[in-house]
Amino acid sequence: RKEVEQDPGPLNVPEGATVAFNCTYSNSASQSFFWYRQDCRKEPKLLMSVYSSGNEDGRFTAQLNRASQYISLLIRDSKLSDSATYLCVGSRMDSNYQLIWGAGTKLIIKP
Amino acid sequence: NAGVTQTPKFRVLKTGQSMTLLCAQDMNHEYMYWYRQDPGMGLRLIHYSVGEGTTAKGEVPDGYNVSRLKKQNFLLGLESAAPSQTSVYFCASSYNSGRPNSGETQYFGPGTRLLVL
Repeated sequence: RKEVEQDPGPLNVPEGATVAFNCTYSNSASQSFFWYRQDCRKEPKLLMSVYSSGNEDGRFTAQLNRASQYISLLIRDSKLSDSATYLCVGSRMDSNYQLIWGAGTKLIIKP
Repeated sequence: NAGVTQTPKFRVLKTGQSMTLLCAQDMNHEYMYWYRQDPGMGLRLIHYSVGEGTTAKGEVPDGYNVSRLKKQNFLLGLESAAPSQTSVYFCASSYNSGRPNSGETQYFGPGTRLLVL
């Protein structure tokens, strides 16, 4: 089993719709969690951290369920510019600087 | 601030050739990393460094060497390139907040696309 697992997609979604991404993780990647965004042929950039209580940043909401080892990202009122690959990331249990990367879910927003 | 820069942006090598990828950061970050990214796979850590003069192996270190002689620079070397090393290479750096198990934000360079024929 991969340490951080995501459905590769792609998700094809009409503009304005709500998009949900899911991610599961194993015990080795269970400290801190993040969502990164990667545009085509670009580098990954931090989108948001994921807190146990859930957190929101504008149209983006992240949730963490430690009991189910499950992380989610919700994008409301999706825009064409949201088209990208979304990477689910966990930090290693025994390290405060090494991250474990999911392979990413590709999102395509259609007009 | 330029952030994290990488050179070159693109390179074609023949099997057996050697090359060095240069990464530089101007954020005074302690930690630096080299990853490779292949289609359908997550970023895989090749080597990393927790400070000037120190390096350590990551998940896929074979065929690569690194050096961190200066805090701002992290070099990745391929001594004898193989087609399996065709990939996109990303360098990243992160700050050390001192918080245990916190998973610091990593800042990435624009990547180097390497093709080994």
